[in-house]
Amino acid sequence: EIVLTQSPATLSLSPGERATLSCRASQSVSSFLAWYQQKPGQAPRLLIYDTSNRATGIPARFSGSGSGTDFTLTISSLEPEDFAVYYCHQRSNWPFSFGPGTKVDIK
Amino acid sequence: EVQLLESGGGLVQPGGSLRLSCAASGFSFSDYAMTWVRQAPGKGLEWVSTLGETGVNTYYVDSVKGRFTISRDNSKNTLHLQMNSLRAEDTAIYYCAKDRRGNWKYVGTVDYWGQGTLVTVSS
Repeated sequence: EIVLTQSPATLSLSPGERATLSCRASQSVSSFLAWYQQKPGQAPRLLIYDTSNRATGIPARFSGSGSGTDFTLTISSLEPEDFAVYYCHQRSNWPFSFGPGTKVDIK
Repeated sequence: EVQLLESGGGLVQPGGSLRLSCAASGFSFSDYAMTWVRQAPGKGLEWVSTLGETGVNTYYVDSVKGRFTISRDNSKNTLHLQMNSLRAEDTAIYYCAKDRRGNWKYVGTVDYWGQGTLVTVSS
């Protein structure tokens, strides 16, 4: 079973700042890594799939990178609506798994 | 516009059963695998079960194997999750989600989610 670890657990930033979120897998997931955003009381939303591909309608300030076991989600300049919890997710091997999440909150 | 609307959640005693449903619209339902993901109160996400577009291929997380059954009715654009022998640890919001690709070989990225239905297992 592949375990995903996310860091930091909480990231406190101001609007306009750059956010860098990390996800590490316990074994290689190739490029099969996605990122989801979840706001309180809402369902998750797909941001990035297969490491670096933005989902439909996702702004260009969101980007993903990495390969194998180490991945990064970057938000180039935080907008007020970006403060949320972010989960990474792997589909390389069953059981598909999510990381524990990184909360991006307002400093 | 893709829409997924879950129903069937509620309060049930340990050992009881519930059947969740997900009504899909806005896409060709029979072309996509569908998945249930759950989230316990205040916790993270857990991939529960996936059903291929034809209804042949299935996946269940170990903790629900033998207790939950996923099914679909492509004529009614509906996904179901029959949950038996429910336990307190099954308490969660259950989300229905559509796979991004239309082939079991590439399954695993969900691109649309419903708003979820809450299942509470308690005496």
